[in-house]
Amino acid sequence: QKEVEQNSGPLSVPEGAIASLNCTYSDRGSQSFFWYRQYSGKSPELIMSIYSNGDKEDGRFTAQLNKASQYVSLLIRDSQPSDSATYLCAVNGAQGAQKLVFGQGTRLTINP
Amino acid sequence: GAVVSQHPSWVICKSGTSVKIECRSLDFQATTMFWYRQFPKQSLMLMATSNEGSKATYEQGVEKDKFLINHASLTLSTLTVTSAHPEDSSFYICSAPTDLGTDTQYFGPGTRLTVL
Repeated sequence: QKEVEQNSGPLSVPEGAIASLNCTYSDRGSQSFFWYRQYSGKSPELIMSIYSNGDKEDGRFTAQLNKASQYVSLLIRDSQPSDSATYLCAVNGAQGAQKLVFGQGTRLTINP
Repeated sequence: GAVVSQHPSWVICKSGTSVKIECRSLDFQATTMFWYRQFPKQSLMLMATSNEGSKATYEQGVEKDKFLINHASLTLSTLTVTSAHPEDSSFYICSAPTDLGTDTQYFGPGTRLTVL
């Protein structure tokens, strides 16, 4: 079992709809969870960080964390074509809080 | 957010030569930096942890003699790919956690290495 798992997609969502991205992780000791967006040929860009169970909202983005289920998700409301990218879930690893383990990423396409 | 720069942004070299990539934290100090490699359509793979003033920590399967890391100051880490071969062609990205008491990492823009 991979440490951090994501559905690789592609996930297609019509413009204006809600895009839902999911991630599961295996290390119950993980404390920090991140969502990064990566455009083709570019490096990852931090979108959200979440540390506590529940929801965290920032603009059109909402991160959800459920440590009991080892599940973290990202919702994008009012999806725009510019949201089309690969979304990477990252979790701090077992061997130190600063060492991140990445999922394989979900490719999201927003259709105009 | 914190700014991390990399230089060069892209480099083409001949097989057998060495290439140095620089990673700088521009507005904060970074005692730790991370080096990743990303092949097309794959996720980031951590290569090593760069530690200021001490030896780097390499991930399993990464050759430390081939990928030399130096972290000589609190704002600069370098990765040298020695005797590069075509299979080393990849997107190399560094990251650094800020010194703000969290483990949020910010990534440099990446360096595209092509070995002919």
